[in-house]
Amino acid sequence: TQLLEQSPQFLSIQEGENLTVYCNSSSVFSSLQWYRQEPGEGPVLLVTVVTGGEVKKLKRLTFQFGDARKDSSLHITAAQPGDTGLYLCAGEREYGNKLVFGAGTILRVKS
Amino acid sequence: GAVVSQHPSWVICKSGTSVKIECRSLDFQATTMFWYRQFPKQSLMLMATSNEGSKATYEQGVEKDKFLINHASLTLSTLTVTSAHPEDSSFYICSASYLNYGYTFGSGTRLTVV
Repeated sequence: TQLLEQSPQFLSIQEGENLTVYCNSSSVFSSLQWYRQEPGEGPVLLVTVVTGGEVKKLKRLTFQFGDARKDSSLHITAAQPGDTGLYLCAGEREYGNKLVFGAGTILRVKS
Repeated sequence: GAVVSQHPSWVICKSGTSVKIECRSLDFQATTMFWYRQFPKQSLMLMATSNEGSKATYEQGVEKDKFLINHASLTLSTLTVTSAHPEDSSFYICSASYLNYGYTFGSGTRLTVV
């Protein structure tokens, strides 16, 4: 059982559609991070959320951290083909200096 | 911003040989470095955590004699895959952190064992 449940695992949508990716856990995290990864490259940090209920926006991407700091979501508005990639959530436990990754969401945006 | 350099970016080796992968923090001193393994279209799986000057802490199921980790300085950690076999073929990624300033990832190493 994964500590961080990420869904959906695969998402194929048309350009212009909206989508939401979820990360859920029964554990509390001191911070939660979202990454995007291209094939053959390392993950690139998109955002870090640390406060329960926090909402951060990065252009068409909106990130939310749950009030209890156990879950998070990534919402993309008007998806574009350039958004295609693997999206990963990762949480840092309150008493540990390491990241726990969700299973990842492979997003494909078709033009 | 913080940069982590990982080398080589890809390597092909024969079965039974050993391969060393380097991870360097270029503009900061990494108190902790992490090694991950990633299979195609899957997430990152943490293999081990290393602190400078001390033995690495391996995750459950990771063979420490198979995957040797050395963290001799605050800017360099190495992962050596010993006696590599085709099943060790994978994408290996390192990351480095400094205190509570977040994690920076390397660009990964594609290992193919033939």
